[in-house]
Amino acid sequence: QVQLVQSGAEVKKPGASVKVSCKASGYTFTSYYLHWVRQAPGQGLEWMGIINPSGGSTSYAQKFQGRVSMTRDTSTSTVYMELSSLRSEDTAVYFCARGRVRQLAHSSFDYWGQGTLVTVSS
Amino acid sequence: EIVMTQSPATLSVSPGERATLSCRASQSVSSNLAWYQQIPGQAPRLLIYGASTRATGIPARFSGSGSGTEFTLTISSLQSEDFAVYYCQQYNNWPPYTFGQGTKLEIK
Repeated sequence: QVQLVQSGAEVKKPGASVKVSCKASGYTFTSYYLHWVRQAPGQGLEWMGIINPSGGSTSYAQKFQGRVSMTRDTSTSTVYMELSSLRSEDTAVYFCARGRVRQLAHSSFDYWGQGTLVTVSS
Repeated sequence: EIVMTQSPATLSVSPGERATLSCRASQSVSSNLAWYQQIPGQAPRLLIYGASTRATGIPARFSGSGSGTEFTLTISSLQSEDFAVYYCQQYNNWPPYTFGQGTKLEIK
């Protein structure tokens, strides 16, 4: 069965960076796009970016341009999201999610990781 | 950027009754619209894609309709497990993929 398993909670100081991992299993890793979505406490869902695990190409929301980097390791079927220059407003649960349609970016998200809480506090 | 607006923000409905949730896009998204359910403390779950197609394993009491800029999610005969927050999302024009702000469905 398809699973996305994320790394554990993190506590970071303002100005630091955080790197969250998302390990995929149960399907062909390179065939489906993966997304990162975050949710601040009590707030809605915010899309951050997309990565094509096949070639590693990425596209980021303008809001995060210059601060976010998404990478993948095909040998371990894992994608990573690194967010730098953290501020208190980055405190949120970060989710990875799989695009539903094989090799198509224009699709909804059918499987989600369990979420990783990142807390930014001095 | 396409802005998705959901209404109402909160909907109070009794178990067994019907709930109707609305989502409006600031410009046409064709039928590239999804609905998700989120229970507090959990990841979102895909309910509907393509505006009206139920995702795998989703009960028939969930239905979606609409195209262009106006969309509706209907839940007939509400069950206790249906009380949650619901989000619409467009995936027609990206980046960015955009979500509505959510509708909280609560027990009346």
